[in-house]
Amino acid sequence: AQRVTQPEKLLSVFKGAPVELKCNYSYSGSPELFWYVQYSRQRLQLLLRHISRESIKGFTADLNKGETSFHLKKPFAQEEDSAMYYCALSGLREYGNKLVFGAGTILRVKS
Amino acid sequence: KAGVTQTPRYLIKTRGQQVTLSCSPISGHRSVSWYQQTPGQGLQFLFEYFSETQRNKGNFPGRFSGRQFSNSRSEMNVSTLELGDSALYLCASSWDSSGNTIYFGEGSWLTVV
Repeated sequence: AQRVTQPEKLLSVFKGAPVELKCNYSYSGSPELFWYVQYSRQRLQLLLRHISRESIKGFTADLNKGETSFHLKKPFAQEEDSAMYYCALSGLREYGNKLVFGAGTILRVKS
Repeated sequence: KAGVTQTPRYLIKTRGQQVTLSCSPISGHRSVSWYQQTPGQGLQFLFEYFSETQRNKGNFPGRFSGRQFSNSRSEMNVSTLELGDSALYLCASSWDSSGNTIYFGEGSWLTVV
């Protein structure tokens, strides 16, 4: 079965502090992992995916297959990072474009 | 280019009625997926259509159905509405069904009273 766990409902940090949003997954096959972000009153949008290994808006995420984790990190939080963040998993060969989402973490960056 | 467009954006229905929601994917995209978003269950996959064929289906009762037309536009239908069907229904489109970036619409807010 596919499952994504985001243990924190809310993460509150001060501007300039490091951020780590946790994501753990369960999947027997070869997963593809994503982070999606939803800013206030905007649509859900892709932030980054593990196969691209990019840094988007200063965020990075590394897939750790041993720990089955895909934590999202940013060294210095900015107020505009405040949003809802979803970790998602896809098992392409078996499931096409089906995404399994975690419950989401609200990131609040305080000034 | 225009994003994923969903209509209607807001609607209120009565228990027992049915509802049809519409989705126009990004031009050229042939895969359309639907998700239900609720405070209690979060984002849950309903189904995916690719080239007019259902590619994948989530764990929802048969009251939830969908289809895709030859122009890739998609509709989803919920029959015999229940209070618990109140949710934000999100449509997403992608170039194909093999993992290209998925783009989401703004959603249709359904309230069942």
